[in-house]
This record gives sequence, structure tokens and C-alpha cells, in this order.
Amino acid sequence: KQEVTQIPAALSVPEGENLVLNCSFTDSAIYNLQWFRQDPGKGLTSLLLIQSSQREQTSGRLNASLDKSSGRSTLYIAASQPGDSATYLCAVRPNTGNQFYFGTGTSLTVIP
Amino acid sequence: KAGVTQTPRYLIKTRGQQVTLSCSPISGHRSVSWYQQTPGQGLQFLFEYFSETQRNKGNFPGRFSGRQFSNSRSEMNVSTLELGDSALYLCASSTADRGFETQYFGPGTRLLVL
Repeated sequence: KQEVTQIPAALSVPEGENLVLNCSFTDSAIYNLQWFRQDPGKGLTSLLLIQSSQREQTSGRLNASLDKSSGRSTLYIAASQPGDSATYLCAVRPNTGNQFYFGTGTSLTVIP
Repeated sequence: KAGVTQTPRYLIKTRGQQVTLSCSPISGHRSVSWYQQTPGQGLQFLFEYFSETQRNKGNFPGRFSGRQFSNSRSEMNVSTLELGDSALYLCASSTADRGFETQYFGPGTRLLVL
């Protein structure tokens, strides 16, 4: 069964810092990987989706990379802002089945 | 285009009761998936429906069931509620063309079982 882990579980940084969130998964037979953010009490907002054949995706200040062979993905956030404060989740879709296996999440606080 | 909508947003039930949650996907999306989110277990997949058929199922007891209608709207039912069923229930929709689709999540229904 696919296991997805995110490190660190919580992170607090001053505004303006660049930061990296990590996601690791145990089974490299994935179809794609998606990063989400979740604000307290809310649903999930899709940030980036990386297909298994891709190495990275970029959207604005966000950059996500994927190393399928080592079972790792990173989400890089440049010039962090207080509005970036949220929980960030990575989710892996296996080659079979249209479901996601979610990581445990990283709770990010950006201090003004 | 309107996003994924879920109703109701909040629900309080007592043990032993049953509950039905509703999810309307984005127009044109034929796949609807349901997830349960709890502080202890995180986000766990319940099931996925595509064209009115359950296509995939997670590891939950039979008390959890669902269905999808011809307009792709989906309902999820939990019978004989237990305290541990208290959670945020999220649904997600996608085109599910097995291409470069993204899953879009609704705001969730927060269920509290007393």
C-alpha cells in the first residue's frame, strides 16, 4: 500500500523567506502527484500537478519537483507571504485506480 | 464555471442515526470521489463514482455507501453513525479522462456525531 509522508509537520518562517516542503512516497509506480493547500476548516485548493513523466511544474512563486525513482517531491515557495499560511498536502495517484493517497501535511505559518 | 459544491456544510447527528451528504461536481466532470478527513487519520479515500458506477473503493466498512446520478451529482450515505465518524467529508470531481486531469475539491461537509 502506498505510504505518503511529509516533512516537516509544521514550519514557521518570517515573511520573505524561501522555503521547501518535502513529500516522500513508498511506491514509485505513480501516475501523477498533486500539491494542495488547505485553509483552516476549508476544502483543498489545487496548486500544482506533476505527471509521472515530468520533473517539475511552476506556477508563480511555487515550484514543485518530482523524482519518481527516489520517491520524492518538493514544493518550493519563493518570497513567502503571510497569505501563504495554510496546510500543504501532497497526494499521489497510483498507476491503477483513480484515487489519491494523501500525505500527512505540513502546517505553514508565515510571520509578518 | 462554478466549483464543486457540497451540502450541507455542517451537520450534527447522534449515534445510531444515518446521514446523507450531497456533492455537485463541476459541470462536465464525470468522476466524483469522496474522502474522509480526521485529525488522527488525515485524508482517506472512501470511493469514486464515474458514470453512475462505483469504480474504486477504499477500505471503509459497509456502513459507508454512495451513488451517482445521471447528472453526475453524487450522494454519500453513512448508516448507524458512530462517534468516530465525526470528520470533514470532502468530495472531488475531475474529468477522469486519464489525461492531465486535476482533481477539484469542494469545501466539505463537517459532520459531528454526538
